[in-house]
Amino acid sequence: RKEVEQDPGPFNVPEGATVAFNCTYSNSASQSFFWYRQDCRKEPKLLMSVYSSGNEDGRFTAQLNRASQYISLLIRDSKLSDSATYLCVVSPGGGTYKYIFGTGTRLKVLA
Amino acid sequence: SAVISQKPSRDICQRGTSLTIQCQVDSQVTMMFWYRQQPGQSLTLIATANQGSEATYESGFVIDKFPISRPNLTFSTLTVSNMSPEDSSIYLCSAEPGTNTEAFFGQGTRLTVV
Repeated sequence: RKEVEQDPGPFNVPEGATVAFNCTYSNSASQSFFWYRQDCRKEPKLLMSVYSSGNEDGRFTAQLNRASQYISLLIRDSKLSDSATYLCVVSPGGGTYKYIFGTGTRLKVLA
Repeated sequence: SAVISQKPSRDICQRGTSLTIQCQVDSQVTMMFWYRQQPGQSLTLIATANQGSEATYESGFVIDKFPISRPNLTFSTLTVSNMSPEDSSIYLCSAEPGTNTEAFFGQGTRLTVV
């Protein structure tokens, strides 16, 4: 089982749609969670951190479910500019600084 | 946050040669890392660049092939040695200003070995 698993997609959705991605992780002791966005031929950029209480930033909502060991990202009112690959990132913590990256979920928002 | 300047942004190299990639951070950071991203794949950690000591390599990566330097808290280099076409990839450096904080990335180096 991979340490961090994501559905690679692609998710093709029309503009204005709501789309949700899930990511599962295998290490129950993981401490930090992030969603990164990567555009084609660009470096990953932080979209948002994921907190235990969940967090929202405009059209984006991230949630953490420790019991089931998954995090989710919800995008409302999709824009064409949201088309990108969304990477789930998990930090094991416990003195380990390494980040574990999922393979990414590709989103294409269609006009 | 941290701003990372990575260079070169791309290069085409002959097999058997070596390429050194540089990363400069605009502030002192605790941790710096080097990743490789194959086309259509996610990021694979090559090593953790430790300031003042030898880098810590992940399984499958060795110092002779990927020597790393980190002379201070703002700068690191990765060398891809004795290159072969299989080394063609995107190489990314990243920095974490603090423990379990978000990671920031350089713009990446797109390497093609011919």
